[in-house]
Amino acid sequence: AQSVTQLGSHVSVSEGALVLLRCNYSSSVPPYLFWYVQYPNQGLQLLLKYTTGATLVKGINGFEAEFKKSETSFHLTKPSAHMSDAAEYFCAVKDDYKLSFGAGTTVTVRA
Amino acid sequence: DTEVTQTPKHLVMGMTNKKSLKCEQHMGHRAMYWYKQKAKKPPELMFVYSYEKLSINESVPSRFSPECPNSSLLNLHLHALQPEDSALYLCASSQVGQGSPLHFGNGTRLTVT
Repeated sequence: AQSVTQLGSHVSVSEGALVLLRCNYSSSVPPYLFWYVQYPNQGLQLLLKYTTGATLVKGINGFEAEFKKSETSFHLTKPSAHMSDAAEYFCAVKDDYKLSFGAGTTVTVRA
Repeated sequence: DTEVTQTPKHLVMGMTNKKSLKCEQHMGHRAMYWYKQKAKKPPELMFVYSYEKLSINESVPSRFSPECPNSSLLNLHLHALQPEDSALYLCASSQVGQGSPLHFGNGTRLTVT
């Protein structure tokens, strides 16, 4: 079964600093990978997806992720954190209909 | 604004009650999903419907009964729930296809007393 592992349950960054959230996947076939964000008391919003093609994927709100097959990674970055980026972030892998999530990373942004 | 609408936003029910959660989407998606999310945890898949037919049941207890009346609607019928069933219930939809992302509603916050 395909799975993802998020490294670091909590990340704290200063406003304007780089945001880096780590995700590694386990898959015997090319994976379909996603990053979602969840704000308090809300559902999940899709940030970006990797299916095939370009390995550097740009998403909404200035986020991007790079698919690295050699490292089995799909890390999420944003060059400059904003206070509004404080939320829970989930990496996910899709196998047929099943979307399976990592444990999540809570991002806090310091003023 | 989310394109998947869930009602109600909040629900409190006793263990002997019968209630239903509703989900609606108008994006033309033919796959619909129910997820359960406990506090500080990732969502866990419960059910998947594809073309209005149940295709995945993740060994969910029978006190949860899904229904897909048409391609736009998804219901989750609840009966004789336990306090540990209190959680955020998320509905999602997607196009049919391996790489198609799921679009989530804002969820129903369920409390079982």
